Amino acid sequence: DQQVKQNSPSLSVQEGRISILNCDYTNSMFDYFLWYKKYPAEGPTFLISISSIKDKNEDGRFTVFLNKSAKHLSLHIVPSQPGDSAVYFCAASAGASWGKLQFGAGTQVVVTP
Amino acid sequence: EAGVTQFPSHSVIEKGQTVTLRCDPISGHDNLYWYRRVMGKEIKFLLHFVKESKQDESGMPNNRFLAERTGGTYSTLKVQPAELEDSGVYFCASHPGPTDRGGYNEQFFGPGTRLTVL
Repeated sequence: DQQVKQNSPSLSVQEGRISILNCDYTNSMFDYFLWYKKYPAEGPTFLISISSIKDKNEDGRFTVFLNKSAKHLSLHIVPSQPGDSAVYFCAASAGASWGKLQFGAGTQVVVTP
Repeated sequence: EAGVTQFPSHSVIEKGQTVTLRCDPISGHDNLYWYRRVMGKEIKFLLHFVKESKQDESGMPNNRFLAERTGGTYSTLKVQPAELEDSGVYFCASHPGPTDRGGYNEQFFGPGTRLTVL
């Protein structure tokens, strides 16, 4: 039973514009959410995270928004750059923000010149 | 600082054979995790070690999979006998533990081992 869902398998965006990636979850026990970025033939690398006590976290060009009532989070990348082309995974953990991560299926982002 | 390393990077075996994957976590990281991604789907949790102890093995698919972490350093994941559905990319991740970084669960991943069972 998949508790973290990324319903858009792919996203194409023009360089300089905003990329918005979405993620939905079903488990109300999740208290920590993360975004990972993955290039081909590499492992996922941590990008940004947010605790359930916050609704927004920003780090440079990356901002994550959390809507607990809707069980929805999103990642905004502004402005998008060609190096942002990768697969982005949403992940969540439950119970004191520790232990296993549950991932979505990923969204392939392609940034075009 | 060296990252998480995994060996081999690729493995192609026939159904019924045995394969052993190895993971070396970042030095000093007590927490080690195994995950698997099958056919472009979600990355699924397999198990979690704290030092040499299995903290959570709820994601292990069946008893053909055996994970060990002797001495609390590197870990191995053995699949015996391998089946076609075991094909996928196996990722290892590590984390120092809740005493560092305020307990936030940002795990560091290795490059993965691509396993193909024919």
